[in-house]
Amino acid sequence: GEDVEQSLFLSVREGDSSVINCTYTDSSSTYLYWYKQEPGAGLQLLTYIFSNMDMKQDQRLTVLLNKKDKHLSLRIADTQTGDSAIYFCAVPEDQTGANNLFFGTGTRLTVIP
Amino acid sequence: DVKVTQSSRYLVKRTGEKVFLECVQDMDHENMFWYRQDPGLGLRLIYFSYDVKMKEKGDIPEGYSVSREKKERFSLILESASTNQTSMYLCASSFAGSETYEQYFGPGTRLTVT
Repeated sequence: GEDVEQSLFLSVREGDSSVINCTYTDSSSTYLYWYKQEPGAGLQLLTYIFSNMDMKQDQRLTVLLNKKDKHLSLRIADTQTGDSAIYFCAVPEDQTGANNLFFGTGTRLTVIP
Repeated sequence: DVKVTQSSRYLVKRTGEKVFLECVQDMDHENMFWYRQDPGLGLRLIYFSYDVKMKEKGDIPEGYSVSREKKERFSLILESASTNQTSMYLCASSFAGSETYEQYFGPGTRLTVT
């Protein structure tokens, strides 16, 4: 199966940028996803990128995709305390982006006031 | 808004008990999933279902079974709970016709088996 890896922890100061990285093994994925899990809650889709794109920007969020290196990153500009959460990278199971997602281990982002 | 609800937020059971975790979604989604979440391991897929009465094993089905008698409801069953099944259980659903296959998650059930 797919192998999706992330570092477990990241701490940043409020106002700084956060960069969360993810590597994956399957290169046939059509969409790649970032999910956010706030304390005590389920996961919520934060953003996604289509595999033929290198970059996608959505307000404070920037997703970068390097298909050659199978590397996905999420940059959060002007990080706020409300951004403290666990962030999961997710990759579809097969080329059609079918039903199943492989999730990374999650990166716990702590924002220091 | 899509809503996925889970029957309990917290559950404490004894070893050997039969445990039912219920999940209901209100958006007529075809696909439903059960994951467990453990620190350092991320989410691991236990079972999924793409239609009523259909089920497929995920990555870690051992010790679990599922039931999907109605489209909106997907139940996870621990036939004989063990301490290594202490975990956070997350249910999700998705629309089969969605281009992005976004999954919508419930709030989770934290199960402790003593």
